[in-house]
Amino acid sequence: EAGVTQFPSHSVIEKGQTVTLRCDPISGHDNLYWYRRVMGKEIKFLLHFVKESKQDESGMPNNRFLAERTGGTYSTLKVQPAELEDSGVYFCASSQAGGGAREQFFGPGTRLTVL
Amino acid sequence: AQSVAQPEDQVNVAEGNPLTVKCTYSVSGNPYLFWYVQYPNRGLQFLLKYITGDNLVKGSYGFEAEFNKSQTSFHLKKPSALVSDSALYFCAVRPPAAGNKLTFGGGTRVLVKP
Repeated sequence: EAGVTQFPSHSVIEKGQTVTLRCDPISGHDNLYWYRRVMGKEIKFLLHFVKESKQDESGMPNNRFLAERTGGTYSTLKVQPAELEDSGVYFCASSQAGGGAREQFFGPGTRLTVL
Repeated sequence: AQSVAQPEDQVNVAEGNPLTVKCTYSVSGNPYLFWYVQYPNRGLQFLLKYITGDNLVKGSYGFEAEFNKSQTSFHLKKPSALVSDSALYFCAVRPPAAGNKLTFGGGTRVLVKP
């Protein structure tokens, strides 16, 4: 079974540019999450999709961030325009339908550097 | 607001010695508790979780964790560390009324020396 994949693995852009990150969850996983780790600090939740619907987007920092999951399969996270403080590692995770204590399976992350 | 603390940025241990990575949390209710490990250039891998019941939870790669409700702690342990256990370890909690989102600690880097 393939794990969660993320593309690109690294991205270096200049302040003001746009970047789009992609996440492919484990096949059949209805839940998809985005997290990020900034400056070696704790990993923070950004948002949660159930299929194509946003279940919880309380962690999205501002309106420069836009997440989509059209068709309920892969997801994209767009940052427009990027700022210096957006640098960090963006993780995607997925889990099976439902809640409870189901573990979330994480991708390798996308390291974003904004210059 | 809920929070998770991993008081040690780094833990150094000799191979074969016991390994402990500390985690304390501050959340209301009875949360689910998790440990994840991140090896270089890899995603976070699930190690173990506590839901309810026995306070000692056994997980992958010989790791275990002890839940202590009175001290609100969930320390990760391994009786005999291996060099290959060198990695970044994250503690996480999922409060019962917070949906599915995880709240993570800052991570602890473990270095096991031969």
